[in-house]
Amino acid sequence: DVKVTQSSRYLVKRTGEKVFLECVQDMDHENMFWYRQDPGLGLRLIYFSYDVKMKEKGDIPEGYSVSREKKERFSLILESASTNQTSMYLCATSATYEQYFGPGTRLTVT
Amino acid sequence: GEDVEQSLFLSVREGDSSVINCTYTDSSSTYLYWYKQEPGAGLQLLTYIFSNMDMKQDQRLTVLLNKKDKHLSLRIADTQTGDSAIYFCAEKLQGYQKVTFGTGTKLQVIP
Repeated sequence: DVKVTQSSRYLVKRTGEKVFLECVQDMDHENMFWYRQDPGLGLRLIYFSYDVKMKEKGDIPEGYSVSREKKERFSLILESASTNQTSMYLCATSATYEQYFGPGTRLTVT
Repeated sequence: GEDVEQSLFLSVREGDSSVINCTYTDSSSTYLYWYKQEPGAGLQLLTYIFSNMDMKQDQRLTVLLNKKDKHLSLRIADTQTGDSAIYFCAEKLQGYQKVTFGTGTKLQVIP
């Protein structure tokens, strides 16, 4: 079974803080994704990576950056957190057609 | 760009059939998916259909694809309280890794 883990289930940060969300997968998948999920908006792609050190912007990359130094780990970075980044963040991996999701991190920025 | 639309809520009685609908815009989609999200969890793939198929059945789940109208539906037979969740429709374009998700339909099953 594919396992995708995220570093925290719940996180509370203050405006202006630098925030790191980490995702680790154990299936040697090439592709990894970061989404945010908001009620009524579904999942929106922030960034994805198709190989180590390779990344591509998704639909809403503003205010975010990513890092993929090792194949199994994909980090999402909020350089200076803002209240409009309060959301559920979901990591996913894929090799072919199916995406496998982590449990999500609910981030609150106060 | 691609767009996937769903209604936000559906309420059904236990034992009835549920039909969740989705429309998509891109005719070159290769895979069309239904994902399920239970409370407090990530998304889990329920079923998928290739764009060259019209129908796929898997136990209580039936997926219907109308390519002409770009309409995808998920029918859940004999709906149970454990089916209460958010259901996401999604499409993946040929040659791309990106998957576009709909807004999700929250299914409420009334005992």
